[in-house]
This record gives sequence, structure tokens and C-alpha cells, in this order.
Amino acid sequence: GAGVSQSPSNKVTEKGKDVELRCDPISGHTALYWYRQSLGQGLEFLIYFQGNSAPDKSGLPSDRFSAERTGGSVSTLTIQRTQQEDSAVYLCASSFQTNTEAFFGQGTRLTVV
Amino acid sequence: AQKITQTQPGMFVQEKEAVTLDCTYDTSDQSYGLFWYKQPSSGEMIFLIYQGSYDEQNATEGRYSLNFQKARKSANLVISASQLGDSAMYFCAMSSVQGAQKLVFGQGTRLTINP
Repeated sequence: GAGVSQSPSNKVTEKGKDVELRCDPISGHTALYWYRQSLGQGLEFLIYFQGNSAPDKSGLPSDRFSAERTGGSVSTLTIQRTQQEDSAVYLCASSFQTNTEAFFGQGTRLTVV
Repeated sequence: AQKITQTQPGMFVQEKEAVTLDCTYDTSDQSYGLFWYKQPSSGEMIFLIYQGSYDEQNATEGRYSLNFQKARKSANLVISASQLGDSAMYFCAMSSVQGAQKLVFGQGTRLTINP
């Protein structure tokens, strides 16, 4: 596609439920990043995939968060047993290589009620 | 650990004036990259400009320039001839090693351009 695509754009879920957020990066981009933007918290790094290398998971806030990237393309961020503090906008970005600019999607706004 | 500080939560500027958005950073890395992103109300992050720590000259992209002062650890964004469409949140960010790896972001500055 022309840009990074994320789905859904909005998700409301009940506390305790699992959610899956999807990111479709720009075709040919080998690097993929997930960030979280909470109100008043700015953006924080979650996880980073580069080609076939093991992902850098150093930003994941707890073991309820996991992500995978299938076939070096689409990525899914999964949050298990959601909590209210998980409410945020989850942004995905991709770049051609690790040393080129990252292009962001429009994000998924997650609300846990 | 890397840290980005943006001390201006909000800025109000008259259309056509130049504006400087402040950014200071802290890192022990010798090689790093500095970025500015714009986030309009639609929510997407738009890349504006990049400066590598070893770049001798300040980066420029159209109306955007990055005033890089390495000794002061500052990377201010200058927007010349501001336009109403420049109203948005602006984020300064940095990465370890020169390039777009995992980014550490500042808290952002909300810029409002008045007609």
C-alpha cells in the first residue's frame, strides 16, 4: 500500500479481554516499530522488528503484551487481559532500513472500559 | 539512557512569522540521530527533518531547519514563514546510532498559528 495501515482505527474493549491490533507496513520496508501514545505520557517505544532478526522487546511494559511479525510483513500486537491503563493510541511505523526515516500509521485508539 | 526534553508545552505564533521549537537531549552515545515529527489533529506522525550527530551542517528541508548545537545538546526546530496548516503537535525524538531505530520522544509542543 501507499502508507502504513493500521486496523482497527478504534477499539473499545472490556477490562480483562484480549485484543489484537494489526499493522500492515509499507511494502519492502524491513523494519517495523510499535509505539504507544498515552494522554500526557508522550510516545513510548514498545517493540522493534528488523528483517529476520529477533525482535527488540525492551519497551514492552508487561508480559501481557506480545507482538509477532509474520513473513516479514504484517505485524500483530496482542494485549492480554486488558487493563484500563492500557488505554492509549498504539502507533505502528516502518522504515526501509534501520537507518532511514520511519513512516507512521494513523494508529489504533484503544479504550478499555 | 537517552532523554529528550521539550520545555514549551504550547506556542502561539502569528501567521508568516518564524518560530523556534526548543529541544534538548541527553545521551552518552557518541553516535545518534535527532528527528522532528509533526502530529496534526488527524493523529498521524509526519516526519519533518533528521540530523545525524556527525553531520557538520544543520539539516534543512524546505521551510524547516534544525539548529543543531552539539556542545549544548540542543536540536531546535525552526519553521520559517509559518502557515495556518503548521498548527499541530511537534515532537523531537532521538535514536541510538545514526538512523531511525527505536526512538525516544519528548513530550511535545503544541503549536498554534494565529491568522
